[in-house]
Amino acid sequence: EDQVTQSPEALRLQEGESSSLNCSYTVSGLRGLFWYRQDPGKGPEFLFTLYSAGEEKEKERLKATLTKKESFLHITAPKPEDSATYLCAVQVTSGTYKYIFGTGTRLKVLA
Amino acid sequence: ETGVTQTPRHLVMGMTNKKSLKCEQHLGHNAMYWYKQSAKKPLELMFVYNFKEQTENNSVPSRFSPECPNSSHLFLHLHTLQPEDSALYLCASSQDPPAGDLYEQYFGPGTRLTVT
Repeated sequence: EDQVTQSPEALRLQEGESSSLNCSYTVSGLRGLFWYRQDPGKGPEFLFTLYSAGEEKEKERLKATLTKKESFLHITAPKPEDSATYLCAVQVTSGTYKYIFGTGTRLKVLA
Repeated sequence: ETGVTQTPRHLVMGMTNKKSLKCEQHLGHNAMYWYKQSAKKPLELMFVYNFKEQTENNSVPSRFSPECPNSSHLFLHLHTLQPEDSALYLCASSQDPPAGDLYEQYFGPGTRLTVT
């Protein structure tokens, strides 16, 4: 069964304290992996798409990487405005619209 | 209006009521989606429409009835819901890519539904 697992469930960081969020997946065939950010009371906001192992994408303080079994979202010197829930989703090859989400990591950055 | 909009933002309904959720996308996309988001659970894909045709129905109970009159509008008609249907209902849209390509989805702010 296709599955996406995110860890940790919640993370508290001091401002400037770098860390990484993990998204591990077990799927029949990976078409691609997506990272989204979700703020309270809002829908998810697209961050990155990763297509193949070894690929990296960066945006401001965020850097996403992909291996054959997992993806990491590295947050460098986070700020309080980076506080949000970060969602990982995979698109599998067995269905054009089959999009499997993880449960997310709730990040809180303290000033 | 820009992006994906949803109305209402909050809805409280009794189990015998009938209500509808509305979604509109202003991005020129061809595919639209309904998701259910419950606490501590992954987003659950409910329905997918591509060029107004339903292409996915993930075993959703018949008390949820989608309607897509055109590629910009999507409705979710609700009737005789159960308390466990209380959740955030998210609408999303995307381009319809050529086979083998990837696409990202753009989400609306959601409708917070409470069934009493």
